[in-house]
Amino acid sequence: KAGVTQTPRYLIKTRGQQVTLSCSPISGHRSVSWYQQTPGQGLQFLFEYFSETQRNKGNFPGRFSGRQFSNSRSEMNVSTLELGDSALYLCASKGPLETQYFGPGTRLLVL
Amino acid sequence: GENVEQHPSTLSVQEGDSAVIKCTYSDSASNYFPWYKQELGKRPQLIIDIRSNVGEKKDQRIAVTLNKTAKHFSLHITETQPEDSAVYFCAASISSAGGTSYGKLTFGQGTILTVHP
Repeated sequence: KAGVTQTPRYLIKTRGQQVTLSCSPISGHRSVSWYQQTPGQGLQFLFEYFSETQRNKGNFPGRFSGRQFSNSRSEMNVSTLELGDSALYLCASKGPLETQYFGPGTRLLVL
Repeated sequence: GENVEQHPSTLSVQEGDSAVIKCTYSDSASNYFPWYKQELGKRPQLIIDIRSNVGEKKDQRIAVTLNKTAKHFSLHITETQPEDSAVYFCAASISSAGGTSYGKLTFGQGTILTVHP
């Protein structure tokens, strides 16, 4: 099976802009979780989508949002970008068991 | 919410030595504990996991132990090799009593393991 893919791999934005990141899970997986990775805060859970519904949400402001489509592909959106949003954004795909498989990530730089 | 503490933050060993990384968790409802290895510039890769109904699990040079009473779990790597050098993350999550496994992982802060040849 093909692994988890994320697009784009790199992004540079300026403060105040918005950005949309995309994640395609492993075929047959219905759960997609998003994580933010920074040197200071480590890996932090953003939210999880399962069958097009948000099932869990982490402690991030409302500027961070997401959605999932009927083919399980997921997008996350960050509006009104701040410098502190610079990070590696990882998505993880999960099947019926607990194991999560990570994508390569999207590295976002906010200037 | 769940909180996972991981120690040490850095670990340096000689090739062939053993390495041990320890994590504690706060939520007694957590019942799934994976360990991920992340090499520089790459995605986290699952190396081993353990569920709360098991006390120990081994996979070649890697083992994980779980103490539910004390709420801590540990990763043991024996006969370390330079290619084991990476950042290791422990994590915890909850599966519901009905068997639904949720995709929310709470991670420890990571351990930078360096294996010197």
